[in-house]
Amino acid sequence: ETGVTQTPRHLVMGMTNKKSLKCEQHLGHNAMYWYKQSAKKPLELMFVYSLEERVENNSVPSRFSPECPNSSHLFLHLHTLQPEDSALYLCASSQETSGGRSYEQYFGPGTRLTVT
Amino acid sequence: GQNIDQPTEMTATEGAIVQINCTYQTSGFNGLFWYQQHAGEAPTFLSYNVLDGLEEKGRFSSFLSRSKGYSYLLLKELQMKDSASYLCAVRSSARQLTFGSGTQLTVLP
Repeated sequence: ETGVTQTPRHLVMGMTNKKSLKCEQHLGHNAMYWYKQSAKKPLELMFVYSLEERVENNSVPSRFSPECPNSSHLFLHLHTLQPEDSALYLCASSQETSGGRSYEQYFGPGTRLTVT
Repeated sequence: GQNIDQPTEMTATEGAIVQINCTYQTSGFNGLFWYQQHAGEAPTFLSYNVLDGLEEKGRFSSFLSRSKGYSYLLLKELQMKDSASYLCAVRSSARQLTFGSGTQLTVLP
């Protein structure tokens, strides 16, 4: 496997279900991200894990819970979601330095989530 | 707050040149990125500007003016495969990447 992989690619879940999205990067990067992409809306940054520091967007509801057990793996745990949470969820990774230099982010193929 | 504006849609002819503009107002600046996203696929990196001026990479060029809060992506010798959404994104000083809504480019034969 190369690059950034995500599983599952498609997920349909009811509002009472609990599920998890998985992301794995094989690029040796030290930062990982979750984004939400809804139709006709900009990519929205949800969570960042960078140099062991978690940065989160305060507008993300608590029904989304990230987990980053190591620099190669990232999870997004989902519970009691709403229909408006249906979207494409993209994972990305990048190589960040302590000096703050920006490097491009590499995106996974995404998980298409439908909440019924 | 963060605000990034780019046109919603553009149309151009195969072989032509097209310029996609992006204006931004952000609370900090640490670089501007352009990404390409084909329908149903992940965004892929095209270019990065952190200093004023033009960066050229093959058929694609990107320009930045920090004083004007302005960037453009220039695509030359357009091909049908260039039909995609082009995303402008600004990196603030807070390690946050804010994306515009994207410009859907359609290349016609």
